[in-house]
Amino acid sequence: GENVEQHPSTLSVQEGDSAVIKCTYSDSASNYFPWYKQELGKRPQLIIDIRSNVGEKKDQRIAVTLNKTAKHFSLHITETQPEDSAVYFCAASTYMGYFGNEKLTFGTGTRLTIIP
Amino acid sequence: EADIYQTPRYLVIGTGKKITLECSQTMGHDKMYWYQQDPGMELHLIHYSYGVNSTEKGDLSSESTVSRIRTEHFPLTLESARPSHTSQYLCASSEYLMAEAFFGQGTRLTVV
Repeated sequence: GENVEQHPSTLSVQEGDSAVIKCTYSDSASNYFPWYKQELGKRPQLIIDIRSNVGEKKDQRIAVTLNKTAKHFSLHITETQPEDSAVYFCAASTYMGYFGNEKLTFGTGTRLTIIP
Repeated sequence: EADIYQTPRYLVIGTGKKITLECSQTMGHDKMYWYQQDPGMELHLIHYSYGVNSTEKGDLSSESTVSRIRTEHFPLTLESARPSHTSQYLCASSEYLMAEAFFGQGTRLTVV
């Protein structure tokens, strides 16, 4: 089955600086890579996603890059703000073999702290 | 408002009791999932469903069971609760392949 590794587990960044979180996956058949943000005491929410036919996607201050050959993808947050403090999860989706059948495997999470 | 709802939000129960955690979504999604998560930690998939009468076990070994008799409802049952079941349980749903998963607020379960 799919295995998703995420690094670092904790990250502290000065406000205004950039933060980068990296994930690797094991199943070359994975084709969808979302990132979720979970604030303290709240539910995870999707912040950006990328599909395997795209190498990079950007949405304002956040961007995701994908290297299918190396089987890794990264989240980049620029001009960090205090409200960016949260736990971030990467995930990989594997198609299981018949229409409608897929499974989402999450990484272990990165606790990002923005230092004012 | 279309959303995914979990009840109860908090539950404290004694060892050996049978409990059912409720999950309902009003978004018409076929796919639904149950994850176990200790606060701020990794999400472990314990059960999933691709539609009515479809249920599968996830990666994390679990002593729970699920059912999917209606599209909108995906309850999780623990036949005999143990302290090791103490955790947060998150229900999620998604519309189709490679689509955003929407999470419920979670049920924080404590078994004493």
